[in-house]
Amino acid sequence: EDKVVQSPLSLVVHEGDTVTLNCSYEVTNFRSLLWYKQEKKAPTFLFMLTSSGIEKKSGRLSSILDKKELSSILNITATQTGDSAIYLCAVAAQGGSEKLVFGKGTKLTVNP
Amino acid sequence: DTAVSQTPKYLVTQMGNDKSIKCEQNLGHDTMYWYKQDSKKFLKIMFSYNNKELIINETVPNRFSPKSPDKAHLNLHINSLELGDSAVYFCASSDWGASSGYTFGSGTRLTVV
Repeated sequence: EDKVVQSPLSLVVHEGDTVTLNCSYEVTNFRSLLWYKQEKKAPTFLFMLTSSGIEKKSGRLSSILDKKELSSILNITATQTGDSAIYLCAVAAQGGSEKLVFGKGTKLTVNP
Repeated sequence: DTAVSQTPKYLVTQMGNDKSIKCEQNLGHDTMYWYKQDSKKFLKIMFSYNNKELIINETVPNRFSPKSPDKAHLNLHINSLELGDSAVYFCASSDWGASSGYTFGSGTRLTVV
């Protein structure tokens, strides 16, 4: 069965800290890995990664995929209170059924 | 506004009732989904439809019946509601091939009392 595991499950930091969120996966016929941020409502898309070793960056957020290690990290530098959210990792796998398999998320709390 | 819209946003109902949640997308996507998010925030797929055709049915009880009248709409009907059905239900859409990412609706919080 396809599986996505995120760690840590929760994290509390102070503003200005840098955090690294982890995601590992076991899927058949991996196609891509996606990161989402969920605040109060719907998850919002952050990154999609398909190739190993290529960093995607958006402001203070960056992410990279390691296909050899079947994992990805999401980095947030100089955290702000507005970064407080649940960060979800999801994997798309090929093979007939088109769906994303989600991890359980990392709850990040940034304190002032 | 281009979006995925769900109604209602909140639904409180008694056990045993039947209820529906509606979803519409105007993004021109081919594929639509229903996901359930439990109290621990775990998102799990329930159904997906591609161009009105059922593609995924993830061992969801028969009390849940999706209906897709056209590729822009995917509604969810739930019969004989149970306490365990309480959750947030998200509709989403994507181009065919979920690897391009989903656009999610804002969710429907269902509370069964």
